[in-house]
Amino acid sequence: KNQVEQSPQSLIILEGKNCTLQCNYTVSPFSNLRWYKQDTGRGPVSLTIMTFSENTKSNRRYTATLDADTKQSSLHITASQLSDSASYICVVSLPNTGNQFYFGTGTSLTVIP
Amino acid sequence: NAGVTQTPKFQVLKTGQSMTLQCAQDMNHEYMSWYRQDPGMGLRLIHYSVGAGITDQGEVPNGYNVSRSTTEDFPLRLLSAAPSQTSVYFCASSPLKGDLYGYTFGSGTRLTVV
Repeated sequence: KNQVEQSPQSLIILEGKNCTLQCNYTVSPFSNLRWYKQDTGRGPVSLTIMTFSENTKSNRRYTATLDADTKQSSLHITASQLSDSASYICVVSLPNTGNQFYFGTGTSLTVIP
Repeated sequence: NAGVTQTPKFQVLKTGQSMTLQCAQDMNHEYMSWYRQDPGMGLRLIHYSVGAGITDQGEVPNGYNVSRSTTEDFPLRLLSAAPSQTSVYFCASSPLKGDLYGYTFGSGTRLTVV
């Protein structure tokens, strides 16, 4: 069964600290893996996208890694800011389907001053 | 560009009532989809469209209808609301294949059915 699991479910960190969010998936084959940020009361916004051949992708203070062999991805947030407080969702898509996405349940991150 | 616009932002319905959630995009995207987001679950696909006049069912289509008469609009209709349809609904669009370009999401409609 194609699944995407994220951990931890929730996380609280101090402003300025780093953190790493995990995503394990069983979707196979897959086209790409995305990390989305969803602020409270808003729709998800794409942070990074990686194909199965990519190992790492950065977007400002966000760095995503992908290990296609172990089917694991992580999102590392450096020097966290209060505005990083949000839910982070891992999404895996099947190839050549256009709309076949598998969404994780997200990690809720709270950054406190 | 306004992106993807959803209306209303909040709605309370009584069981059995019908209503339409509106979604409009001004990016000339071919692909449009409706998702629902429930606590502890990932977003689930309700219906999607690959272009005007073409719609198809997603993972959880029961109780919902859609139509796509224009490229810009993709309304979601609840035929007879049930408490199980209490959720946050997101409309999303993408220019070509969603897996290549990713989706632009609207800000959501929070629906409560009592």
